[in-house]
Amino acid sequence: GENVEQHPSTLSVQEGDSAVIKCTYSDSASNYFPWYKQELGKRPQLIIDIRSNVGEKKDQRIAVTLNKTAKHFSLHITETQPEDSAVYFCAAGGPYGNNRLAFGKGNQVVVIP
Amino acid sequence: NAGVTQTPKFRVLKTGQSMTLLCAQDMNHEYMYWYRQDPGMGLRLIHYSVGEGTTAKGEVPDGYNVSRLKKQNFLLGLESAAPSQTSVYFCASSYNRDPGPNQPQHFGDGTRLSIL
Repeated sequence: GENVEQHPSTLSVQEGDSAVIKCTYSDSASNYFPWYKQELGKRPQLIIDIRSNVGEKKDQRIAVTLNKTAKHFSLHITETQPEDSAVYFCAAGGPYGNNRLAFGKGNQVVVIP
Repeated sequence: NAGVTQTPKFRVLKTGQSMTLLCAQDMNHEYMYWYRQDPGMGLRLIHYSVGEGTTAKGEVPDGYNVSRLKKQNFLLGLESAAPSQTSVYFCASSYNRDPGPNQPQHFGDGTRLSIL
């Protein structure tokens, strides 16, 4: 099955700086890559996703890039703010007719005011 | 439109007791999923369903059973609870666009379950 790994496990950044989280996946058939943000005690919430037919997608301060050849994708957060502090999960899904996702273990992002 | 609703929110059980977690969605989604979340382990899929009356095993199905008698509900059962099942359980649902592209999964608020 699909195996998704996230690096680094914890990331601390100064407010206003950029944060980058990288994920790798193993199944070359995977074609859907969502990112979820989870605040302490809350549900995971989708913040951005990308499909394999595009290389980059942006939504205000967040962007995701995909490198299919290397099988990795990254989340970029610019101009970080304290409310960006959370655990971020990447995931990968394939064309198997069930929308099933394999999740990474998560990255704790801490934005230092 | 409540989205995905999980009940109960918290529960403490003794080893060997049984219970059922309920997930309900009002978005007319075909697909539903049960995950468990443990510290440092991310979200691991327990069971899932691609439609009413169907269920399938995920990554960590042992010790759990599920049922999808109605499209809007997905039940997760623990027949004989064990301390190793202490976890936060999340339910999610998504549209089916097969053979179209994958659709986002929407999560409930979770059930925090402690087994003593």
